[in-house]
Amino acid sequence: KNQVEQSPQSLIILEGKNCTLQCNYTVSPFSNLRWYKQDTGRGPVSLTIMTFSENTKSNGRYTATLDADTKQSSLHITASQLSDSASYICVVSGQAGTALIFGKGTTLSVSS
Amino acid sequence: NAGVTQTPKFRVLKTGQSMTLLCAQDMNHEYMYWYRQDPGMGLRLIHYSVGEGTTAKGEVPDGYNVSRLKKQNFLLGLESAAPSQTSVYFCASSYSAGVHGYTFGSGTRLTVV
Repeated sequence: KNQVEQSPQSLIILEGKNCTLQCNYTVSPFSNLRWYKQDTGRGPVSLTIMTFSENTKSNGRYTATLDADTKQSSLHITASQLSDSASYICVVSGQAGTALIFGKGTTLSVSS
Repeated sequence: NAGVTQTPKFRVLKTGQSMTLLCAQDMNHEYMYWYRQDPGMGLRLIHYSVGEGTTAKGEVPDGYNVSRLKKQNFLLGLESAAPSQTSVYFCASSYSAGVHGYTFGSGTRLTVV
């Protein structure tokens, strides 16, 4: 069964600290992996999209990595800010034209 | 550039009532989607459309109907609302089914009592 598992479920960090969120997937065949940020009461916003041939992609203080062999991805947030408090969702796409598989998300809280 | 606009933002329905959720996009995207988001679960696809006049079922289509009469609009209908349809509904659009980002609306919070 195609699944996307994220860990941890929730995370609390101090402002200015770094953190790493994990995503493991069993989707096969694999097309691409996306990370979204969802603020409370808002729709998800795309952070990165990586195909199987890409290992790393950055978007400002967000850096996503992908290991297609082990079917793992991570999202690293550098120098966290209060505005980083949100849910981060890992989404995997199989063959083109198939539905996206959404993870349940990691809820990040950044405190001052 | 408004992106994806959903109306209404909030709605309370009584069991058995009907309603239509409207999604409008101004990016000339071919693909449009309706998702529902429930606590502790990932977004689940209800219905989607690959172009004007086309619709297809997603993962959880029962109890919902959709229409795509115009390219920019995608309507989600509930003919007879049930408490199990209490959820947050998100519309999204994309240029294609390939490696293109989805643009999501801000959601409609629906409560069925």
